[in-house]
Amino acid sequence: AQSVTQLGSHVSVSEGALVLLRCNYSSSVPPYLFWYVQYPNQGLQLLLKYTTGATLVKGINGFEAEFKKSETSFHLTKPSAHMSDAAEYFCAVSAGAGRRALTFGSGTRLQVQP
Amino acid sequence: DGGITQSPKYLFRKEGQNVTLSCEQNLNHDAMYWYRQDPGQGLRLIYYSQIVNDFQKGDIAEGYSVSREKKESFPLTVTSAQKNPTAFYLCASSPGQLHGYTFGSGTRLTVV
Repeated sequence: AQSVTQLGSHVSVSEGALVLLRCNYSSSVPPYLFWYVQYPNQGLQLLLKYTTGATLVKGINGFEAEFKKSETSFHLTKPSAHMSDAAEYFCAVSAGAGRRALTFGSGTRLQVQP
Repeated sequence: DGGITQSPKYLFRKEGQNVTLSCEQNLNHDAMYWYRQDPGQGLRLIYYSQIVNDFQKGDIAEGYSVSREKKESFPLTVTSAQKNPTAFYLCASSPGQLHGYTFGSGTRLTVV
């Protein structure tokens, strides 16, 4: 079975500060890992993904994430927060036989203070 | 432009009624998915289909039904057996697990 835990349902940062959103996964096989962003009353948009290869992956809007197998983590970071980054962020994992569907974390709502 | 369309955006249903949510994609993706989103619970998988005329139950399929008669379409019916249907429903499609999903903009269903 696969699962995802996002630590912190709400994170607040000041504009220009570092953004760090935490994601830990559980999987018995090498996982595929994803981060999505959701703005109010909209669908989800893919920010970045890790499947194989380089463990540091870069995505859209200046976000990046690092796959750390030893820590079973895939934390999302951005060096400098912008007001437009305020949204809900979801980590997701695909693992296991047949990789049937993504399993999502419960989400982290990011607030950016001026 | 290619994309995935969900309709309607808002839907109101009386208790005891069935209602069908539409999901159409023109991305030529084989796989399609339905998720339910509730505050603080993330997205939970209702049904998925990896090929036409085949679909599988997800984690919370009770009270829901689907069909996949065409590659482009994957409608979800919320039946009267669903005890707590008020939620935000998201449809997604994918060419394969390596690529992630493309999501629709969602349908917000409210039972009145």
